[in-house]
Amino acid sequence: NAGVTQTPKFQVLKTGQSMTLQCAQDMNHNSMYWYRQDPGMGLRLIYYSASEGTTDKGEVPNGYNVSRLNKREFSLRLESAAPSQTSVYFCASSLEGQTDTQYFGPGTRLTVL
Amino acid sequence: EDQVTQSPEALRLQEGESSSLNCSYTVSGLRGLFWYRQDPGKGPEFLFTLYSAGEEKEKERLKATLTKKESFLHITAPKPEDSATYLCAVLSGGYQKVTFGTGTKLQVIP
Repeated sequence: NAGVTQTPKFQVLKTGQSMTLQCAQDMNHNSMYWYRQDPGMGLRLIYYSASEGTTDKGEVPNGYNVSRLNKREFSLRLESAAPSQTSVYFCASSLEGQTDTQYFGPGTRLTVL
Repeated sequence: EDQVTQSPEALRLQEGESSSLNCSYTVSGLRGLFWYRQDPGKGPEFLFTLYSAGEEKEKERLKATLTKKESFLHITAPKPEDSATYLCAVLSGGYQKVTFGTGTKLQVIP
């Protein structure tokens, strides 16, 4: 099993450009999450999907949109990138909600110039 | 608002020198506390979940304990491969969300 996979690993954008970060899991988990990690701050939840067909805002959703394409895939879209969105983005999944152990992908390092 | 504070921010140990990392928390109804290990350039890797005060869990050289206000990650006779950042996270029943601490960066020197 690959676990949680993310693409791309690295990306550089110019201010105003758009892009989609892809995430897939092969553990048959129901819940999936997008976090960002910035220096000196803990991981912060952007959006999550408790189950296929549902999505909810987390702590820092502004400037992002998500799509739960199917049970395996959960994408994060930046419509108009800003320098404040420079960060490392992690996707995670868990069997059933946040009470269960979350398994993380390797991350996408995004720089917005 | 839920808060999680980890200390120290960084810790340097000699190989074999045991120590503890601290995670103190203020949450609205603790439902679970998680410990993760994160290596540079990688995603967090799950270590333990603790659910109630008094609970302890062990894995190799690591032992996690939980009280009503804090959790400790005890590292016994660490090896260089234990070098990583250790993250603590709490799940609160009040807000139904997970709050992460900023981590303790551990370096074990041969």
